[in-house]
Amino acid sequence: EPEVTQTPSHQVTQMGQEVILRCVPISNHLYFYWYRQILGQKVEFLVSFYNNEISEKSEIFDDQFSVERPDGSNFTLKIRSTKLEDSAMYFCASKASGGADTQYFGPGTRLTVL
Amino acid sequence: QKEVEQNSGPLSVPEGAIASLNCTYSDRGSQSFFWYRQYSGKSPELIMFIYSNGDKEDGRFTAQLNKASQYVSLLIRDSQPSDSATYLCAYGGYGGATNKLIFGTGTLLAVQP
Repeated sequence: EPEVTQTPSHQVTQMGQEVILRCVPISNHLYFYWYRQILGQKVEFLVSFYNNEISEKSEIFDDQFSVERPDGSNFTLKIRSTKLEDSAMYFCASKASGGADTQYFGPGTRLTVL
Repeated sequence: QKEVEQNSGPLSVPEGAIASLNCTYSDRGSQSFFWYRQYSGKSPELIMFIYSNGDKEDGRFTAQLNKASQYVSLLIRDSQPSDSATYLCAYGGYGGATNKLIFGTGTLLAVQP
């Protein structure tokens, strides 16, 4: 069964460093998302991406964040200068079409900022 | 502010019993509703989705939606210890490029053997 994959599973970085989280969505999906979940809190929407551009972003997704689909398979989230409060699980999700189809989540990357 | 409210629990039920999980949402424009299961340290895993008022059954799971009351629930019949997890309620819009999901904080279910 096709699935969303994410790498790395755990990333430890120093405050102020740049990190890139990588995702490979399900191959025939067209809509891509990043969510994050701070420990003990709810899953929060960060950004959605379709047709090679951002379609919506949340207040969390400020100038320190960017997304890119550098080729036909990868979808990346970059945090330019990490802060302590960026420590969280980051989930990538993908969806097949523009209707109310289900989003399928990857296993997540645990980001720890020291 | 669009919100999803869930009782954080824990909801404790004995093995074999019916577990009832409830959720209310604030956005009357919501069109699609989802229940995800999340084990500790893992990603959300889809259990069920429902778009229309009424009941939808899938195996041991039944989702119920009442748009007038802005209420959605999940019933788990014959609960098993492996069902012990946090159940996340989420809603989305319909159509368009976004259809972001708005999640509740989740209800922790503990099924006692």
